[in-house]
Amino acid sequence: DGGITQSPKYLFRKEGQNVTLSCEQNLNHDAMYWYRQDPGQGLRLIYYSQIVNDFQKGDIAEGYSVSREKKESFPLTVTSAQKNPTAFYLCASSIAYGYTFGSGTRLTVV
Amino acid sequence: AQSVTQPDIHITVSEGASLELRCNYSYGATPYLFWYVQSPGQGLQLLLKYFSGDTLVQGIKGFEAEFKRSQSSFNLRKPSVHWSDAAEYFCAVAPMEYGNKLVFGAGTILRVKS
Repeated sequence: DGGITQSPKYLFRKEGQNVTLSCEQNLNHDAMYWYRQDPGQGLRLIYYSQIVNDFQKGDIAEGYSVSREKKESFPLTVTSAQKNPTAFYLCASSIAYGYTFGSGTRLTVV
Repeated sequence: AQSVTQPDIHITVSEGASLELRCNYSYGATPYLFWYVQSPGQGLQLLLKYFSGDTLVQGIKGFEAEFKRSQSSFNLRKPSVHWSDAAEYFCAVAPMEYGNKLVFGAGTILRVKS
């Protein structure tokens, strides 16, 4: 079955460490997105990519980085520059306004 | 400012009662409109969407939504709520000027009491 796989489901890191969240899709979608979810704030766009080897900053890109070397993969790195990285992270992909979401990664920084 | 507003952070309804979740948007042109549902710790599931045409849209799980251009609203309704409907609901829009990026409201947490 086609879908989006995010791994791991739970991630714990020490403050000051970089961490990479995985997002893989087998839907053949061109566009992929990373959202951050905090209670009471909905989902906020971190980065998005419309095509391989190209990506753009979203509304809250500071402290994050991405790559899009393959159509299927869009990993997100949370760097030590992100002031408050503890959150729920959702990856999505789309084609023609049809969006598919992964099941999310909960990152806790201690 | 351009935004999506869900004015109710929490709503509690009795099982079997009707439900309406509100959503307003402020964009120049009518965007594409969506409602999603999220169970705790899970991804988002699409309930319904509106692109054009009939302003009353039917979705999954017995939900429907009505688009009202004059009020810039896209409210979600269900005639009779079930305990399994307890979840968080998000209204989202894809503004024409944003390409195909989704902009989300803050969400409404639905509690169902028996």
